[in-house]
This record gives sequence, structure tokens and C-alpha cells, in this order.
Amino acid sequence: AAGVIQSPRHLIKEKRETATLKCYPISRHDTVYWYQQGPGQDPQFLISFYEKMQSDKGSIPDRFSAQQFSDYHSELNMSSLELGDSALYFCASSHGTGGLNEQFFGPGTRLTVL
Amino acid sequence: AQKVTQAQTEISVVEKEDVTLDCVYETRDTTYYLFWYKQPPSGELVFLIRRNSFDEQNEISGRYSWNFQKSTSSFNFTITASQVVDSAVYFCALSVGNFNKFYFGSGTKLNVKP
Repeated sequence: AAGVIQSPRHLIKEKRETATLKCYPISRHDTVYWYQQGPGQDPQFLISFYEKMQSDKGSIPDRFSAQQFSDYHSELNMSSLELGDSALYFCASSHGTGGLNEQFFGPGTRLTVL
Repeated sequence: AQKVTQAQTEISVVEKEDVTLDCVYETRDTTYYLFWYKQPPSGELVFLIRRNSFDEQNEISGRYSWNFQKSTSSFNFTITASQVVDSAVYFCALSVGNFNKFYFGSGTKLNVKP
């Protein structure tokens, strides 16, 4: 079975530009999570969606927004990019919420801001 | 508040040595889940194990074993007869509550030398 798909896998942007990262969850998974992992850091939770509604929010900058669409894929929109936004962005999906529902991680999108 | 501490920033061993990676967690929830992930240089997060708070049985999978002790809030990971391919950053993570977001430790970088 296909795993979580993230696109693009690599993205290079200039400061002040915008970027859109996409996440396609595993089939029948209705919950999506976004994490940001800076260089040498641990992944930090940004935001999650369950059934197209925001379910939880972490340390997501106001310059970032995200949504989950009717087909359950999710997009993370990042505006006014800063050098500090350079990171590996992970998407994860699960069926339902709660710890019983295993979370599967995508391969990540590596964003470089120049 | 939830917290995961991996006190060992970096460990170097010689191939075939055994190595234990420490993980200490903090939570007031009685229901929680603990995870270990491996992150090789390529960047993806590879799932290794999940444990729920009601299951303190230790687990062995090949060369990997995990020791979960609620009394000391620890979930340690041992690699027996380490191999060069085990070289990676290992993250311990905690999940609580209904929305399943992960709290990651800061990671332990394991270097296995031939």
C-alpha cells in the first residue's frame, strides 16, 4: 500500500517568497499532522487536521496557514519566507485521532530559503 | 506539560558493541504512547516501535530491544551487536490525549564505526 506522499521533496525559495507544501495521506486516513524539523533539531508539531477541520495547533507562525481538502490531502502555505524557515517539513497521517491510531510519516519536504 | 528527554546527544561505538539509548518522559496523563524512530542521513523517519502506557512488557525485535519502566518514566532502547548501518539519529517520542501529536526528544546521534 502507498505511504504518505509529500511534494515537492525539495524546494528552494528566496527570502520573502511564498511556498506551498502538499501532503497526500494514506488511503482512508482522515487526520493529517505537520511537523517542522530545523537543522540538528527534533521535529516540532505545527498543526493538525481531522475531517477537514483544524484539530490542534502548535508552534506555527502566523505567516503559515494550512488546510485539509475534501479528498483529505493537506497543504501548508508559507508566506514571507525567512532564512529560519529552512527545515525539513514532515507530514503524517492517521485514521482517526488518539494514540491507538498509528501515525505514519511521509518522507518530508526539504525547504531551503536563500 | 509533556516532555521527552534524551540526555545523550551523541554516542560513538565500534561495530559489534552493544549500545543503549536513554529516553525519559514526563506526562501527567495516565494514557500515553511512546515511540522510537530512526532518522538516517537521508532524512526520513523510520518507525521502530510503539508502546502504550498500560503495557510494560519489554520487547525484543532481532538486535533491537526496548525496556519500558513506568516507575522511572523511562523507555530505553538497546541495540545488540551494533552495525555500521545502525548509524543514524534516534528519536524518542511521546503522544498523549485525543489528538495524537508527538512530542519528540532532542534525538541521539549514534555513530557506529567499523
